[in-house]
Amino acid sequence: EVQLVESGGGLVKPGGSLRLSCAASGFTFSSYSMSWVRQAPGKGLEWVSSMSSSSASIYYADSVKGRFTISRDNAKNSLYLQMNSLRAEDTAVYYCARFQQVGGTTSWFGPWGQGTLVTV
Amino acid sequence: SSELTQGPAVSVALGQTVRITCQGDSLRSYYASWYQQKPGQAPVVVIYGKNNRPPGIPDRFSGSSSGNTASLTITGAQAEDEADYYCNSRDTSGNPVVFGGGTKLTVL
Repeated sequence: EVQLVESGGGLVKPGGSLRLSCAASGFTFSSYSMSWVRQAPGKGLEWVSSMSSSSASIYYADSVKGRFTISRDNAKNSLYLQMNSLRAEDTAVYYCARFQQVGGTTSWFGPWGQGTLVTV
Repeated sequence: SSELTQGPAVSVALGQTVRITCQGDSLRSYYASWYQQKPGQAPVVVIYGKNNRPPGIPDRFSGSSSGNTASLTITGAQAEDEADYYCNSRDTSGNPVVFGGGTKLTVL
């Protein structure tokens, strides 16, 4: 079964740091781009960051650029998000998701983890 | 970055057909994907690409696209379809992807 399990969320003061982890299983982790997507309480989905399978390509939303760092360890089938200089507006459930692309026009996120709550 | 615009809410009578739309310039170049999210749960992809359903997604869910508008249609809506629905696509400027604001579907 393909599965993603996030951990590392919690309560942190403004200006503090947290490191989220996402453990993947049931698929060849090293073959897929991976992403973090967050959802503030009562709000919609917001893409946060993505990393290609080889770590060669990395992208960040403007709202987190310079403060968050995405990384992965393909040997450990794990994705990470280091979050520094946290702000109240970073409060959200953070989801880890596999990103898939077919051709140049088709892409989707799936599966998703259950999410981990970060409260600043 | 681009934007994807969805209506905030839509309702449908049990067993009837409902269409949820998503508008944005990026949809002229890329297909949308659609996600269902029930309260307290993670999103689940229901449609991706031209009109592809992942395993386990009922065939009452379908997708279409025209110009800058993508649509998710539920034919014969069921009570369990009540959820928030989000569209998503690659972005044509800046960020690699963009999400719509979500549409809350109520099944009456």
